[in-house]
Amino acid sequence: DAGVIQSPRHEVTEMGQEVTLRCKPISGHDYLFWYRQTMMRGLELLIYFNNNVPIDDSGMPEDRFSAKMPNASFSTLKIQPSEPRDSAVYFCASSTGSQLKYQETQYFGPGTRLLVL
Amino acid sequence: AQKITQTQPGMFVQEKEAVTLDCTYDTSDPSYGLFWYKQPSSGEMIFLIYQGSYDQQNATEGRYSLNFQKARKSANLVISASQLGDSAMYFCAMREDYTGRRALTFGSGTRLQVQP
Repeated sequence: DAGVIQSPRHEVTEMGQEVTLRCKPISGHDYLFWYRQTMMRGLELLIYFNNNVPIDDSGMPEDRFSAKMPNASFSTLKIQPSEPRDSAVYFCASSTGSQLKYQETQYFGPGTRLLVL
Repeated sequence: AQKITQTQPGMFVQEKEAVTLDCTYDTSDPSYGLFWYKQPSSGEMIFLIYQGSYDQQNATEGRYSLNFQKARKSANLVISASQLGDSAMYFCAMREDYTGRRALTFGSGTRLQVQP
């Protein structure tokens, strides 16, 4: 079975440019999460969706960040304009919403390593 | 206050020995889940083991076991018979179920190095 798919795997861009990160969750999963990993702040939640609806976006840093989930198999995280402090690894993860908590394990994609110059 | 605390930034262990990675947590939710993930140098996050707050027995998955002490709010990961491939960062994480919030809160991680 395919796991969570993220693209691109690496992105280098210049300050001020728009960056779009993409994620395809595991088929049948109805929760999708975006996390960011930096040396300073560790792993932190940006936003998560349930059945394509944003549930909690309290971790989105500021208006430069936006996320969408137009359908059950695709989500984007957009940064516009990008800044050097956005450099990080961005992970997408998905899980089911089962009553059996074990089955709500979040499975992570390989991450997108973003460098903003 | 930190919700997840991993006090060991780095650990060394000899191959074939057991090692315990510490994790303490802080929550007032009566229902929660605790997870351990492995992040090798390649960067992916690999799920290892889960413990529910109401589980009566400690979780085990192959060479991984979770030493869950609810009263002490600790959920230490035990890796038995360490292998060179176990060298990685290990993250403890918590999901607070009572509020219905599905997001994970992560600790700062422990870097484990297995020596031959």
